[in-house]
Amino acid sequence: QVQLQESGPGLVKPSETLSLTCTVSGDSISTYYWSWIRQPPGKGLQWIGYIYYSGRTSYNPSLKSRVSISVDTSKNQFSLRVSSVTAADTAVYYCARHSRDSSAWYVFDYWGQGTLVTVSS
Amino acid sequence: QSVLTQPPSVSAAPGQKVTISCSGSSSNIGNNYVSWYQQLPGTAPKLLIYDNNNRPSGIPDRFSGSKSGTSATLGITGLQTGDEADYYCGTWDSSLSAVVFGGGTKVTVL
Repeated sequence: QVQLQESGPGLVKPSETLSLTCTVSGDSISTYYWSWIRQPPGKGLQWIGYIYYSGRTSYNPSLKSRVSISVDTSKNQFSLRVSSVTAADTAVYYCARHSRDSSAWYVFDYWGQGTLVTVSS
Repeated sequence: QSVLTQPPSVSAAPGQKVTISCSGSSSNIGNNYVSWYQQLPGTAPKLLIYDNNNRPSGIPDRFSGSKSGTSATLGITGLQTGDEADYYCGTWDSSLSAVVFGGGTKVTVL
């Protein structure tokens, strides 16, 4: 079955860069879209952006200036970088697969378990 | 402040029905498909409904979705204690050029 697993540091200092990787198993990343979504503690979901296997990306305009998503098809992974982080970037970060069954590309059918990233000195 | 508006909480007794509303505008719900996600405590969200009213394989027919104009609704019938969770609606917003979610609704089984 399809599984996604986030990995990366759980603690990042203010002004530094947050880096996370999502490893996909049970599916080839060389198909369709893959996204990052985050959830601050006790709050709702925020879409960060997606990458298409070809490398094409789209980011949430509210984060666009600080976000970068890349893909490594040889490792079946995609990655997230968020620069100049502040305490407001503290959240559980999820990677997710876009649904191939939906008529809409913006539906997420498989999610990673999530990883908490805390921004603190 | 979420682009999509959901009630913070709803509750009902076991076996009863609850509905969760998701209100938006023409730039999001009015012209795009709506999906719904269930987030059990301490876990990742799970897709419940896509394309307004379709259920993925394995989702019981106790869960249903509908859309009218700029609002969508999730219905849960035969409420069970295992349905206690946060529920989120989501769609694309063409004005913001972003996937947007509602603020979430906590379902409590009395």
